[in-house]
Amino acid sequence: QQNVQQSPESLIVPEGARTSLNCTFSDSASQYFWWYRQHSGKAPKALMSIFSNGEKEEGRFTIHLNKASLHFSLHIRDSQPSDSALYLCAVNRGSALGRLHFGAGTQLIVIP
Amino acid sequence: GALVYQYPRRTICKSGTSMRMECQAVGFQATSVAWYRQSPQKTFELIALSTVNSAIKYEQNFTQEKFPISHPNLSFSSMTVLNAYLEDRGLYLCGARDPDNYEQYFGPGTRLTVL
Repeated sequence: QQNVQQSPESLIVPEGARTSLNCTFSDSASQYFWWYRQHSGKAPKALMSIFSNGEKEEGRFTIHLNKASLHFSLHIRDSQPSDSALYLCAVNRGSALGRLHFGAGTQLIVIP
Repeated sequence: GALVYQYPRRTICKSGTSMRMECQAVGFQATSVAWYRQSPQKTFELIALSTVNSAIKYEQNFTQEKFPISHPNLSFSSMTVLNAYLEDRGLYLCGARDPDNYEQYFGPGTRLTVL
């Protein structure tokens, strides 16, 4: 049974700061890892994904995945007020039919 | 591109009545559709996972008797909230999986208010 936990629950940072969001999972057979972002009043939308150990960078956003530690994280460089949103991590065993297991989310607020 | 539509976007119903919501995937063939509820406190709960040609799997605390789901083809799913009460309030989201990239695309949600 997959258990996905996110930390912290909420985070307030000043504009320009580096922000780190964490996600741990319990199923070592997990193969696909996503971060979703949900702006207030909108649907969650996939932000980034990673499928193998290591690091992946896209613009100001970086994902780190360490499968052995059952942990992945999202880092935001030079945080902007527009980054303020609910961030959800999601994990999947690798089947296109199977369930995506979501964490409860981290609410990020970036103050100008 | 891949899009997911949900309707209605908002609905208000009286306590004890039922309402039906729909989810449509456009631009891809969804192999599975997951229905979620996001409560006013922002808790994100999976209600059920529906896979075409397979039994619908409900999560603990959610039942077919309360949230019957229909998933007749690869682009359409509907869910009904039967006998809605205050605790059923929230944003109901459907997420449709694209088998080509494993990504789950979300619709904008149906916001349910129960009076």
